[in-house]
Amino acid sequence: TQLLEQSPQFLSIQEGENLTVYCNSSSVFSSLQWYRQEPGEGPVLLVTVVTGGEVKKLKRLTFQFGDARKDSSLHITAAQPGDTGLYLCAVPNAGNNRKLIWGLGTSLAVNP
Amino acid sequence: DVKVTQSSRYLVKRTGEKVFLECVQDMDHENMFWYRQDPGLGLRLIYFSYDVKMKEKGDIPEGYSVSREKKERFSLILESASTNQTSMYLCASTVSGMRKTQYFGPGTRLLVL
Repeated sequence: TQLLEQSPQFLSIQEGENLTVYCNSSSVFSSLQWYRQEPGEGPVLLVTVVTGGEVKKLKRLTFQFGDARKDSSLHITAAQPGDTGLYLCAVPNAGNNRKLIWGLGTSLAVNP
Repeated sequence: DVKVTQSSRYLVKRTGEKVFLECVQDMDHENMFWYRQDPGLGLRLIYFSYDVKMKEKGDIPEGYSVSREKKERFSLILESASTNQTSMYLCASTVSGMRKTQYFGPGTRLLVL
């Protein structure tokens, strides 16, 4: 059983479309991170959210942390081919906060 | 600029060979991690190290060992490679503390024949 459920697993859209991906859990977290992994590379941090209800924007990407700090969403406006990649969410491991617990990711393909 | 480098991008080895994967970070980070990434299974932690000569098992340590003799370098060792160790291996590092960014290397794609 995955602690973090990411949906959808795969998404293929046309350039210019909007999309939302989700990271859900039944557990409460002190913080949540979103990473993007481009093909052939390692993941790169996009954002860390900490406060319930928090919204952060990074250009065309909008991140929201749920009010109860159990879930998060990532919305992309007017997707571009450069947004293609694997979007991963991660939370601190409650037993050892040096470690992260990872979702399986949403694989996004944006077609020109 | 933050930098994590891995010794090889691609590696092909034969079953039974001893394999060394090296990772170097230039950020003076205390913590370093080795993950493997497989389709449908996500990122799985093999081992991590929180200081020189200190290590802890992750979720899937069987068949692997690690070495951290210097702060900047963390090595993953496959004592006797097997075909089920064919995977993408990712190294990461981070400073200690809450909500810290994990910085990843580009990965080593290992094929064991």
